[in-house]
Amino acid sequence: KAGVTQTPRYLIKTRGQQVTLSCSPISGHRSVSWYQQTPGQGLQFLFEYFSETQRNKGNFPGRFSGRQFSNSRSEMNVSTLELGDSALYLCASSKTSDNTGELFFGEGSRLTVL
Amino acid sequence: GDSVTQMEGPVTLSEEAFLTINCTYTATGYPSLFWYVQYPGEGLQLLLKATKADDKGSNKGFEATYRKETTSFHLEKGSVQVSDSAVYFCALETYGQNFVFGPGTRLSVLP
Repeated sequence: KAGVTQTPRYLIKTRGQQVTLSCSPISGHRSVSWYQQTPGQGLQFLFEYFSETQRNKGNFPGRFSGRQFSNSRSEMNVSTLELGDSALYLCASSKTSDNTGELFFGEGSRLTVL
Repeated sequence: GDSVTQMEGPVTLSEEAFLTINCTYTATGYPSLFWYVQYPGEGLQLLLKATKADDKGSNKGFEATYRKETTSFHLEKGSVQVSDSAVYFCALETYGQNFVFGPGTRLSVLP
C-alpha cells in the first residue's frame, strides 16, 4: 500500500515568488492536513481538507492557501514568499473527517527561501 | 485551547539506558493520545497511541500509559538503541478537532 507522497521533496525559491506543493494521500483516505515544521515553532497546523472542502484552518496569513481535488490529492500554495516561510511542509492523510485515528505523514517538502 | 507540553531536550543517552520523555496535556474533551517519531530526513510516523484513560500503548519496546488524573502520557523504553535516535512528538486529538502536537524531543543514543 503506497504511503503519502509529497512533491517536490526539495525546492529553493527567492523572496516574492510563489510555490505550489503537492500531496497524494493514501488510497481511500479522504482527509488531508498540512503542517509547517520549523525548528523554532515546531509543528504548526495550516489547514485540513475533506472531500474537497476546507474544514479547518490554522493561524496563517492569507498568502497560504490550499485545495483538494476530487481524487483527494491536495495542493498548497504560498504566494509572495518571505524568508520566514523556509520550513519543512508536511502533509498527512487520514480515513475520516473527524480525525479520530491515526495521521499518516509524507516525508515532506523542504522549502528554502533566499 | 488544547495544548501539549513535553520536555524539549535534547536528551542524550548511552545505549541500553532507560528512557523517559515526559508529556502532559490540557484538553477540554476526552482526547486520544499519541506518540509520533520522526527519523532524520523523514516525515512523522505513529509510534503508539491510547484512546482512553488507563490504556497503555506499546510498540517496538516503547510504552506509554494514558493517565487522566495527572493528564500525562509519558513515553518510556527500558533499553534504548542507537537506532532509536530521532525526534519524538507527543500529540492529542479530540473528536472533530485537529491534532495538537508538542514541540518534540530530540533523542540521541550513543554507542
